[in-house]
Amino acid sequence: AQTVTQSQPEMSVQEAETVTLSCTYDTSESNYYLFWYKQPPSRQMILVIRQEAYKQQNATENRFSVNFQKAAKSFSLKISDSQLGDTAMYFCAFSQGGSEKLVFGKGTKLTVNP
Amino acid sequence: DTEVTQTPKHLVMGMTNKKSLKCEQHMGHRAMYWYKQKAKKPPELMFVYSYEKLSINESVPSRFSPECPNSSLLNLHLHALQPEDSALYLCASSLTATGLYEQYFGPGTRLTVT
Repeated sequence: AQTVTQSQPEMSVQEAETVTLSCTYDTSESNYYLFWYKQPPSRQMILVIRQEAYKQQNATENRFSVNFQKAAKSFSLKISDSQLGDTAMYFCAFSQGGSEKLVFGKGTKLTVNP
Repeated sequence: DTEVTQTPKHLVMGMTNKKSLKCEQHMGHRAMYWYKQKAKKPPELMFVYSYEKLSINESVPSRFSPECPNSSLLNLHLHALQPEDSALYLCASSLTATGLYEQYFGPGTRLTVT
């Protein structure tokens, strides 16, 4: 079974600084997709970024970028120029092609301090 | 429009009540999901509907009864719930239930069982 591990339960960063959230996953499949979701205190889960396993290029979305290391099964999220609105729980998630399930990590609570 | 709506936002019900949660999307998605989320935990999958047919039931107690009247609507009927069922119930949708596409989440219904 696929598993997703987020080893940092909580992190904090100063406004305008850069922070990296870690995620590792375990799978024997080759066709899969990785996601980072953000859940602010308002509790709406929002998709931050998506990475297809077959793509070597790391995905970026404005201030958010990933470092996808396929051999190491690592998928970290970098947030540049952190803003107060980035304060949220961040979930790393995995889906396998052909599967209906999205497997979540336990989450990392990020606090951006002024 | 990448919006999934859920009603009601909050619900308080007694253990003998019958109530329903509603979810709606107009993105043309053919897969819809119900999740249960406890505080500081990742969402737990309950049900998956694919092309209006139930494709996954994660051994959810029968006091939760899902219904998919059409491709845009998903209901969750609640009856004889227990206090431990108090949680945030999230609805999500994706283009298909093949693991190839991201899921879009609604804001959730905060359920309290008294």
